[in-house]
Amino acid sequence: GAGVSQSPRYKVAKRGQDVALRCDPISGHVSLFWYQQALGQGPEFLTYFQNEAQLDKSGLPSDRFFAERPEGSVSTLKIQRTQQEDSAVYLCASSRGRLSSGNTIYFGEGSWLTVV
Amino acid sequence: AQKITQTQPGMFVQEKEAVTLDCTYDTSDQSYGLFWYKQPSSGEMIFLIYQGSYDEQNATEGRYSLNFQKARKSANLVISASQLGDSAMYFCAMSNQAGTALIFGKGTTLSVSS
Repeated sequence: GAGVSQSPRYKVAKRGQDVALRCDPISGHVSLFWYQQALGQGPEFLTYFQNEAQLDKSGLPSDRFFAERPEGSVSTLKIQRTQQEDSAVYLCASSRGRLSSGNTIYFGEGSWLTVV
Repeated sequence: AQKITQTQPGMFVQEKEAVTLDCTYDTSDQSYGLFWYKQPSSGEMIFLIYQGSYDEQNATEGRYSLNFQKARKSANLVISASQLGDSAMYFCAMSNQAGTALIFGKGTTLSVSS
């Protein structure tokens, strides 16, 4: 597609429920990133994929967070046993390659998660 | 550790005026990239401008320019001729050396009035 597509746009989950957030990057983009953005804050890095390989998951806050990109295109961020502090916007982004090569990353509109 | 600092929580400017949004960074890497993004209330992060650490000239993109002062580790965004549609949150960000992440600042809210 023309841009990074994320679904669902809005999700309300009961505490303890599992959620799955989907990201469809720009076609041909090798790199895919997930970010978490709390209200009024800057985005915080969660994880990075190069094709299907998850090369950096240093930002995942706990083992309840899991991301995959099995075929090197669409990615899913899964949050198990959601807690109230997980309430945030989850942003997906993609780029042609690594940022060290001067590539720009393009963000989707985000998935707004509210845990009640 | 890398860090981005944006010291202006909010800025106010009138239409057609220029405005500078401040950004300083801290890194021990020799090679890095600096980015500015705009985030309107709709939530999408919109790429504005990029500056590589080895670029000798300041980057420009239309009404946006980046005032890059490497020795001072600053990368301020200059918006010329502000428009009402420029009202948004602005984030400065830096890539890590591995190129696997962008590190963001806390952002500056820009309000443009008529």
